[in-house]
Amino acid sequence: AQKITQTQPGMFVQEKEAVTLDCTYDTSDQSYGLFWYKQPSSGEMIFLIYQGSYDEQNATEGRYSLNFQKARKSANLVISASQLGDSAMYFCAMREGLDSSYKLIFGSGTRLLVRP
Amino acid sequence: GAVVSQHPSWVICKSGTSVKIECRSLDFQATTMFWYRQFPKQSLMLMATSNEGSKATYEQGVEKDKFLINHASLTLSTLTVTSAHPEDSSFYICSVPGSGDNEQFFGPGTRLTVL
Repeated sequence: AQKITQTQPGMFVQEKEAVTLDCTYDTSDQSYGLFWYKQPSSGEMIFLIYQGSYDEQNATEGRYSLNFQKARKSANLVISASQLGDSAMYFCAMREGLDSSYKLIFGSGTRLLVRP
Repeated sequence: GAVVSQHPSWVICKSGTSVKIECRSLDFQATTMFWYRQFPKQSLMLMATSNEGSKATYEQGVEKDKFLINHASLTLSTLTVTSAHPEDSSFYICSVPGSGDNEQFFGPGTRLTVL
C-alpha cells in the first residue's frame, strides 16, 4: 500500500525567504511519480512540480524545486524567494506507476503562511 | 493543458435529496476520470475512478450505492450523491489524467452543503 506523509501541518516564512515543505512516501513500486500541488482558499488545485522515480535530476519549475532523495523516500518542496501569494495549502501526492491514468494519493497537506 | 469544468460550482440541498455533479473535460478525451472528496481543512481523499463505458472502481470504504458514478462519454463523468445527509457536505473535485506522465488536470470543485 502506498502512503504519503506530510509532517508539517503549518509553516510560516518571511517574505523573500526560502522555505522547505517536507514530504515522505512509502511504496514498494520502482516506478512512481511524485507531485506537488498548491491549493489557495478558492479550492482550485494548482500543479507545481513533478518528479518521476527514474529522473536523476531534481525537478525545478521557476521558484519551485523538488529535493528528491530516493533512498530516504523523501520529496521535499523548496520555494525560493517567497511571495505573499504563496500563502496556501500545499499537497504532496504520489502515483504508483508512470502512466497518468493511475490514481493519485495525497498527503495531509501543509498550510503555508508568508509574512510580510 | 486540458480544461476541466464542474457543474454546479456549489449546491445547497435538503437532507434526503439527491444531487448530481458533472465533470467535463472540455478539450481532451478521457477514458478515466477521478473523483475526490475534501472535508474542511483536510486532504483530498480519492473516492473512485470513473471508467468510460464500464463500472467505476470505488476506493475502500466508499459506498457505491450512495455515490453513483456514470461515465457515459469521453468528456463527461457524473457523480450523484443519493439521499444526501449533512455528513455528505464536502468539496468534491474531479480530475482528468493527461497524456503526459506529469499531467493531471483538476476541475474547480463543487461545494455541497446538505441542510
